[in-house]
Amino acid sequence: QVHLVQSGAEVKKPGASVKVSCETFLYPFTSYSMHWVRQAPGQGLEWVGLINPDDGRTKYAPGLQDRVTVTSDASRFTVYLELRRLRSDDTAIYYCVRDLDGDDWWGPGTQVIVS
Amino acid sequence: SYELTQPPSVSVSPGQTAMITCSGDVLARKYVRWFQQKPGQAPVLVIYKDRERPAGIPERFAGSSSGTTVTLTISGAQIEDEGDYYCLCATDKNVLFGGGTKVTIL
Repeated sequence: QVHLVQSGAEVKKPGASVKVSCETFLYPFTSYSMHWVRQAPGQGLEWVGLINPDDGRTKYAPGLQDRVTVTSDASRFTVYLELRRLRSDDTAIYYCVRDLDGDDWWGPGTQVIVS
Repeated sequence: SYELTQPPSVSVSPGQTAMITCSGDVLARKYVRWFQQKPGQAPVLVIYKDRERPAGIPERFAGSSSGTTVTLTISGAQIEDEGDYYCLCATDKNVLFGGGTKVTIL
């Protein structure tokens, strides 16, 4: 069964950077895109970006594209989300989601607190 | 830029029909997915391609589409259907979520 393991909670100061990882298990790593979706406390879902691990192509939400980078490491079956110049409104749960627009599978989420 | 608009809340009594709309110009040419999210849990897909139901999703969940509006209908709503529902649409450049609809069964 597909399994996504995300890195642990992070507490960061405003202006700092954070890097969250999503390790994948039990499916062909390069066969599916990986998305990042975040949810601020009491708020809705917000798409952050995606990567195609097969060719490394990325897409980002327009409002975040100058601060976010999504990368992948096929040797570790892991996808990473880096968010820079953190602000208090970046406080959220960050989910990695395999193939959000297809055969989707959600990670458990990583809490990021900016304070 | 594209946006998807949902009503903030919908309330129905158990056994009644709940209807949640998702509107946006892009929906005239792109499919929508619907996700259900319960407190403290990751979202779960309940409808894809506007009207297709994944395996394991009860038949009371149905989707429909007309022009720039898609609708999720829960027929004979159950207490366990309470939660937040989000529509999602993927375009060539972006992925959009609706603002979410809180469904209350009371």
